[in-house]
Amino acid sequence: AQSVTQLDSQVPVFEEAPVELRCNYSSSVSVYLFWYVQYPNQGLQLLLKYLSGSTLVKGINGFEAEFNKSQTSFHLRKPSVHISDTAEYFCAVSSTNTGGFKTIFGAGTRLFVKA
Amino acid sequence: DAGVTQSPTHLIKTRGQQVTLRCSPISGHKSVSWYQQVLGQGPQFIFQYYEKEERGRGNFPDRFSARQFPNYSSELNVNALLLGDSALYLCASSPGAYNEQFFGPGTRLTVL
Repeated sequence: AQSVTQLDSQVPVFEEAPVELRCNYSSSVSVYLFWYVQYPNQGLQLLLKYLSGSTLVKGINGFEAEFNKSQTSFHLRKPSVHISDTAEYFCAVSSTNTGGFKTIFGAGTRLFVKA
Repeated sequence: DAGVTQSPTHLIKTRGQQVTLRCSPISGHKSVSWYQQVLGQGPQFIFQYYEKEERGRGNFPDRFSARQFPNYSSELNVNALLLGDSALYLCASSPGAYNEQFFGPGTRLTVL
């Protein structure tokens, strides 16, 4: 069965420090990978996506992620975070299998940026 | 351009009742997906519809059903409501079946 694991439920970090939010998935078929962000009292919005091609993808607000097929990972990184990056981050995996097309979300990682 | 819209914003129902939630996708988008998000958890996939056909179904009971109309809007129906159905229900649209999704603000359902 397809699953997504976000290894850290909370990540506190100081402003201007680098951050990595980890995401691992399990799937026996080809996948499409996404990171979404949910700011307090706002809806989900797309940060970045991997559909095919280069395994290093860049998204909005200076975020980037690398698809590692052998390790089935899609970790999100930012070299220098801002207070405004405080939010909930969700990794999502889409694929087609016997149950049809499905998108599975991880449980989320709460990034808390401290001054 | 208008984003994904959902109605109603909030809804209060009692156990055993039925509820219908509505979603209008972004203009030109042909795929609509439905998710349930319980507080503190990630969205759980319920259905995906593309070109008015069901393309994917999550692990939800048959009390949950959906449909997509010729204008690509969609309805999610939940019968025989349980307390555990209380959640934020999210609708997302995408241009095709395999693209990134654009989420609506959600419908907050409370079952008493």
